[in-house]
Amino acid sequence: TQLLEQSPQFLSIQEGENLTVYCNSSSVFSSLQWYRQEPGEGPVLLVTVVTGGEVKKLKRLTFQFGDARKDSSLHITAAQPGDTGLYLCAGDYAGGTSYGKLTFGQGTILTVHP
Amino acid sequence: DVKVTQSSRYLVKRTGEKVFLECVQDMDHENMFWYRQDPGLGLRLIYFSYDVKMKEKGDIPEGYSVSREKKERFSLILESASTNQTSMYLCASRLTAGTLVELFFGEGSRLTVL
Repeated sequence: TQLLEQSPQFLSIQEGENLTVYCNSSSVFSSLQWYRQEPGEGPVLLVTVVTGGEVKKLKRLTFQFGDARKDSSLHITAAQPGDTGLYLCAGDYAGGTSYGKLTFGQGTILTVHP
Repeated sequence: DVKVTQSSRYLVKRTGEKVFLECVQDMDHENMFWYRQDPGLGLRLIYFSYDVKMKEKGDIPEGYSVSREKKERFSLILESASTNQTSMYLCASRLTAGTLVELFFGEGSRLTVL
């Protein structure tokens, strides 16, 4: 089983602060995704990164895929209370037939206080 | 928009009862998945199905079975519920076209086993 270590598990910050969430593995992934989940809802895809070293921006969110495709980060600039939620990274393992079998990290619970 | 519908948002069952969790998707996706979500553990794959009547065990299949008689419907069955199966259950579907993976999740079914 391929593992994705996500950190930190909890983040509690004030509005306007910056933050970074990390996702690390010893395995190589074909692609890596970030999902956001709000209470009472299922996860919703934010972004998919595919190429080693790739950087994608989604408004105040910046996603980076490591050069070796083993790690990723999510950086939020000037966090807002609406960013509050559970953030999950998920990797599509490169070593076999996936059928979309993603490996998920443990999740980061982000709370942004006004 | 893709819609994945889980039949029950909240269930309370007693130890030993048989439990059915139903999931329906409306986008003709081949792949469907059942995940279990527990705090600090992320999402763990129970079973997945890549076609009608086809199923594969995920990482934690013990105590669960599944049924996929129609393409749009994927059911998770707990033959004899136990308290350690108290959890949030998430169904997801994915289209196999292309190499990128995007899972579309239902809103989740929160099961409590007393």
